[in-house]
Amino acid sequence: EAGVAQSPRYKIIEKRQSVAFWCNPISGHATLYWYQQILGQGPKLLIQFQNNGVVDDSQLPKDRFSAERLKGVDSTLKIQPAKLEDSAVYLCASRRTSGSSYNEQFFGPGTRLTVL
Amino acid sequence: GQQVMQIPQYQHVQEGEDFTTYCNSSTTLSNIQWYKQRPGGHPVFLIQLVKSGEVKKQKRLTFQFGEAKKNSSLHITATQTTDVGTYFCAGARGWGKLQFGAGTQVVVTP
Repeated sequence: EAGVAQSPRYKIIEKRQSVAFWCNPISGHATLYWYQQILGQGPKLLIQFQNNGVVDDSQLPKDRFSAERLKGVDSTLKIQPAKLEDSAVYLCASRRTSGSSYNEQFFGPGTRLTVL
Repeated sequence: GQQVMQIPQYQHVQEGEDFTTYCNSSTTLSNIQWYKQRPGGHPVFLIQLVKSGEVKKQKRLTFQFGEAKKNSSLHITATQTTDVGTYFCAGARGWGKLQFGAGTQVVVTP
């Protein structure tokens, strides 16, 4: 099966600019996650979707970050305006909701964001 | 909130040697997962442990879940250069939400 797709792979912007990331999960995966991974750290959950509903967004900085998952498939994550500390890799992951390995998360290649 | 700690942060290993990395949670977990991230890559699922005291093996990798379901370990025997990467444990408390540790970065010297 095809993996999780993300674009762009790299993005360089100046602070206070806006940026958007796109994710296409594995077909049939109802659960989708956005993580922020700062260099040298583990992935930090930003938001979790179940179909097109938000399950958990407690760690999403809602004053500048927003995410949506229309039609329960693709998702976009937006940052507006960006700050220097937003420089990180943004990972999208998806998960089945039934089956023997239903807890396994499949990660996309990530988008490396550099804010200057 | 839930904290997941991993030690050591870095592990330099001579090829052929064994090593262990440890993971500790501040709260009881429903399950724990281990992921491997190669340099420049993304996390890839290795295994999930669910039962108290569970031990699972994958070739040279042995994973263990503590009796209290608050700690876990990954032991690698006869380390190879292909083992290079960062190993993350991730604790779950239901509904598919994972709390990742900071990872153990493994460097293998031939």
